[in-house]
Amino acid sequence: AQSVTQLGSHVSVSEGALVLLRCNYSSSVPPYLFWYVQYPNQGLQLLLKYTSAATLVKGINGFEAEFKKSETSFHLTKPSAHMSDAAEYFCAVSNFGNEKLTFGTGTRLTIIP
Amino acid sequence: DAMVIQNPRYQVTQFGKPVTLSCSQTLNHNVMYWYQQKSSQAPKLLFHYYDKDFNNEADTPDNFQSRRPNTSFCFLDIRSPGLGDAAMYLCATRHRATDTQYFGPGTRLTVL
Repeated sequence: AQSVTQLGSHVSVSEGALVLLRCNYSSSVPPYLFWYVQYPNQGLQLLLKYTSAATLVKGINGFEAEFKKSETSFHLTKPSAHMSDAAEYFCAVSNFGNEKLTFGTGTRLTIIP
Repeated sequence: DAMVIQNPRYQVTQFGKPVTLSCSQTLNHNVMYWYQQKSSQAPKLLFHYYDKDFNNEADTPDNFQSRRPNTSFCFLDIRSPGLGDAAMYLCATRHRATDTQYFGPGTRLTVL
């Protein structure tokens, strides 16, 4: 069984400030972890993924995430928020041989001008 | 560009009137998924195809059906839409040898 917990359904940061979106996972086998972003009335776009290679993963739009096995975490960060980062962010988990993704409940990121 | 395409982007139907949503892909991926996403919620998997093999989620209502006539196309049929079926419907694809699902832009369904 696998699950994802995203702490904070809403996060607000000032433009130019650090973005930190939290994701903790539970998986009985080595996980694959993903961050997706969703803009209003759009589908999900892959930001980045971890699949057992480097623990620090760099994605699109300046985002990165670090896999920490000891903390069962995969938090998403960006050093400097931009207005265009305002969106819904979903963390998701799967594993080798599993065709399904298990999503977290999402975090809505608001950027304050 | 290779991509996942969903048509229409917005669909309005009447209560009880059957509706079909379409998904096509140019990625030649063998796995295709349909998700339902209600406002401010995570996507919920309805079913998926692994090649021609259909896999229904246990809690997907019988009102929802799917067809995959070939590798490129997959359809979601809602036989008798209710007000509770108003949602964004997302199609996604994945190649069997990879771990990543690629999503289409979604179809927003309104039921009047």
